[in-house]
Amino acid sequence: NAGVTQTPKFRVLKTGQSMTLLCAQDMNHEYMYWYRQDPGMGLRLIHYSVGEGTTAKGEVPDGYNVSRLKKQNFLLGLESAAPSQTSVYFCASSYQHTGAGANVLTFGAGSRLTVL
Amino acid sequence: RKEVEQDPGPFNVPEGATVAFNCTYSNSASQSFFWYRQDCRKEPKLLMSVYSSGNEDGRFTAQLNRASQYISLLIRDSKLSDSATYLCVVTPSSGSARQLTFGSGTQLTVLP
Repeated sequence: NAGVTQTPKFRVLKTGQSMTLLCAQDMNHEYMYWYRQDPGMGLRLIHYSVGEGTTAKGEVPDGYNVSRLKKQNFLLGLESAAPSQTSVYFCASSYQHTGAGANVLTFGAGSRLTVL
Repeated sequence: RKEVEQDPGPFNVPEGATVAFNCTYSNSASQSFFWYRQDCRKEPKLLMSVYSSGNEDGRFTAQLNRASQYISLLIRDSKLSDSATYLCVVTPSSGSARQLTFGSGTQLTVLP
């Protein structure tokens, strides 16, 4: 019962470097989400996916790209990292996108990213 | 004004105390409300939904006041294990997960 697994857990980048965060879920959920969490601010949605092969922008998509080539995986990419992207990133999944189940998000343990 | 506002705390209470947090929301169209719990350096987890009539789950009671646009969480007989950050979450009537709005959280520390 792994649930939602994120890798890596920690990463330090230099400005301008690129990297990819991987999210994998084994619950057969259709819907997956990437959030960032910063001090004093609530979780903010970066991108989300309502199914394999589909992605959409959330509240703060700039500087990030995503892909959902397989149902169980949702990748978050930073093409050219900036210090403003220093944050804790959480992946989440849900079995519904609307309705009662949409609000029951299962989160991964988080990925702490520092951009110097 | 933030869409969802919470007193960040910290609330430091002795074991066994009763503590309550409020969360105000600005969008009157909000229809669904939730409390998530986040332990230090961990992921958020759903604690409970908030129903119009109020609801209780053991020592936890959640209430909604639509007229004043706030929800509350009451914890009775606090335990050390209740120490965490409590996130208020609201969503409009469509109930789409992408429209969940998270508060920044209220930090609770229960002291022995």
